[in-house]
Amino acid sequence: GAGVSQSPSNKVTEKGKDVELRCDPISGHTALYWYRQSLGQGLEFLIYFQGNSAPDKSGLPSDRFSAERTGGSVSTLTIQRTQQEDSAVYLCASSLASRVQPQHFGDGTRLSIL
Amino acid sequence: GQQLNQSPQSMFIQEGEDVSMNCTSSSIFNTWLWYKQDPGEGPVLLIALYKAGELTSNGRLTAQFGITRKDSFLNISASIPSDVGIYFCAGATGANSKLTFGKGITLSVRP
Repeated sequence: GAGVSQSPSNKVTEKGKDVELRCDPISGHTALYWYRQSLGQGLEFLIYFQGNSAPDKSGLPSDRFSAERTGGSVSTLTIQRTQQEDSAVYLCASSLASRVQPQHFGDGTRLSIL
Repeated sequence: GQQLNQSPQSMFIQEGEDVSMNCTSSSIFNTWLWYKQDPGEGPVLLIALYKAGELTSNGRLTAQFGITRKDSFLNISASIPSDVGIYFCAGATGANSKLTFGKGITLSVRP
């Protein structure tokens, strides 16, 4: 499709397990962003990629969170040893990098930690 | 850190009415964006503003970038039932910088 694609759309897992969330940005978009949205809240920035490098990781809440991007396209966000407070919707966005461009979002992965 | 303030948390209007939403910040932003989010979906971009004082329309929606660069508003005219949703403002300080979001306003439209 033409938009940002995220998978899975829903993930339920037990506390302590690791999870991997995937984002496929819009074709040609070199900038990619991960955000987290807790119930009833706005979006909280996690990490930004320009190509395969991450110049801004300032939003990652702990060292249990990591992300990578390969081939300047698909990105994965990994949460290790999940905790209940990690339950949220994880949203990915992408944009063109040639100038200030608006970010376009996927529909997110709803993560529930039991 | 930077914060964007949106209030009230919820708004209830009658179909056909106009509604205005404000977003304010203690910090300067160089880009302001307005998004709408429906349940189970990601935010969808409504309007992007790049210059202080800029006034931009998109159909029944009009948004302005405040001249102090610390605020923005969104107007929806002649509301319809499908305008129901959560409206977020977001600001960016530079090219390809992270977005800072407000907490959103939930709009309900009574038929």
